[in-house]
Amino acid sequence: SAVISQKPSRDICQRGTSLTIQCQVDSQVTMMFWYRQQPGQSLTLIATANQGSEATYESGFVIDKFPISRPNLTFSTLTVSNMSPEDSSIYLCSVGLAGGSEQYFGPGTRLTVT
Amino acid sequence: AQSVAQPEDQVNVAEGNPLTVKCTYSVSGNPYLFWYVQYPNRGLQFLLKYITGDNLVKGSYGFEAEFNKSQTSFHLKKPSALVSDSALYFCAVRDETGRRALTFGSGTRLQVQP
Repeated sequence: SAVISQKPSRDICQRGTSLTIQCQVDSQVTMMFWYRQQPGQSLTLIATANQGSEATYESGFVIDKFPISRPNLTFSTLTVSNMSPEDSSIYLCSVGLAGGSEQYFGPGTRLTVT
Repeated sequence: AQSVAQPEDQVNVAEGNPLTVKCTYSVSGNPYLFWYVQYPNRGLQFLLKYITGDNLVKGSYGFEAEFNKSQTSFHLKKPSALVSDSALYFCAVRDETGRRALTFGSGTRLQVQP
């Protein structure tokens, strides 16, 4: 498995501002993903964070709103830009290990936009 | 496109009784199937997976799941429920090729009564 940490664990932000969420893994991983879990709902994939190239976004998510960085094999950031109350969610990063099929998830960042 | 259905929003069971949480899936090709559990204010924890082989797979905390290809189901089971099993359970699927991102079901809340 992998140990994954996220910062911040939670935040309350004002409408129109941006927040950058950090994801740190204790080992080098090939695959990193960002998911969103809206209140009372399931997880939805935002994007796959690719090391050394642009992230691959899912339908309904765009780079201008959710820019992602992946500078190396152990770290990624997700920025939620120009926030609105609809962005209030838990944001989770996950990793897939080489040779494995399952993903391991970080503890999540609980974002509230007022 | 792949999808997962968890038909029950909530399952109630008495402590000591067997439990089943249902999951059906749709995917092109052979499925990779997973169960995750989410405790309040915590990230997702991996419970078990089916990739190939024996249709009955065993996982963490005494949970097991039965893969049924003809019924496209992957139900989670436990012979004797504990109050501490009360949590939110997610079934997830991906196909055997290409993208490793997961598609999640809507989740089932398990309540185990003492």
